[in-house]
Amino acid sequence: DIQLTQSPSFQSASVGERVTITCRASQDITSNLAWYQQQPGKVPKLLIYAASTLQSGVPSRFTGSGSGTEFTLTISSLQPEDFASYYCQQLDSYPWTFGQGTKVDVK
Amino acid sequence: EVQLVESGGGLVQPGGSLRLSCAASGFTVSTNYMSWVRQAPGKGLEWVSVIYSGGGTYYADSVRGRFSISRHNSRNTLFLQMNSLRAEDTAVYYCARDSFLRGLARGMDVWGQGATVIVSS
Repeated sequence: DIQLTQSPSFQSASVGERVTITCRASQDITSNLAWYQQQPGKVPKLLIYAASTLQSGVPSRFTGSGSGTEFTLTISSLQPEDFASYYCQQLDSYPWTFGQGTKVDVK
Repeated sequence: EVQLVESGGGLVQPGGSLRLSCAASGFTVSTNYMSWVRQAPGKGLEWVSVIYSGGGTYYADSVRGRFSISRHNSRNTLFLQMNSLRAEDTAVYYCARDSFLRGLARGMDVWGQGATVIVSS
């Protein structure tokens, strides 16, 4: 199975700050990676697929980049509703696997 | 409106069984890949199982041989039959649609609200 490792596991940040989360895959997954946001008590929401394509309706302050084994999710200017947990997911082969998550909380 | 609504969660004793249902509206379950994902209390997301549009299935190692995914086409509903339940199966279970474009997976774009399963004596 393909393993995904996210860093950091926790990130404290302030509104307006730039936040970057990294996801590393245990093998080459080309661009077959998605990012999800899960606000507290809510259902996960798809943010980005194919490593860098923004899902419809997602604000442009979210960007994804990378290919192969290293990927990043960047929030250019953190908004109050962005305090949440973020997960990467590989879509290269079943079984789908998720990273362990990154929780972004208030500094 | 595209929507998934789950039901069937509850409290069950170790070794027991439970069946989750996921009713879809606004799209057709049988023409999509559909997955179950779970989240243990305070933990991250864990993919559990998929049923392909062609009817094939695949399971995570942690549930293979105990869980069974299926669908009822005319009811446009997805199921997860869970047998030989263990304490470590305690989680919120989500059904989700696997989105594909030109044969490439594009993430899980529709999620149910989640069904809570508690395995405890």
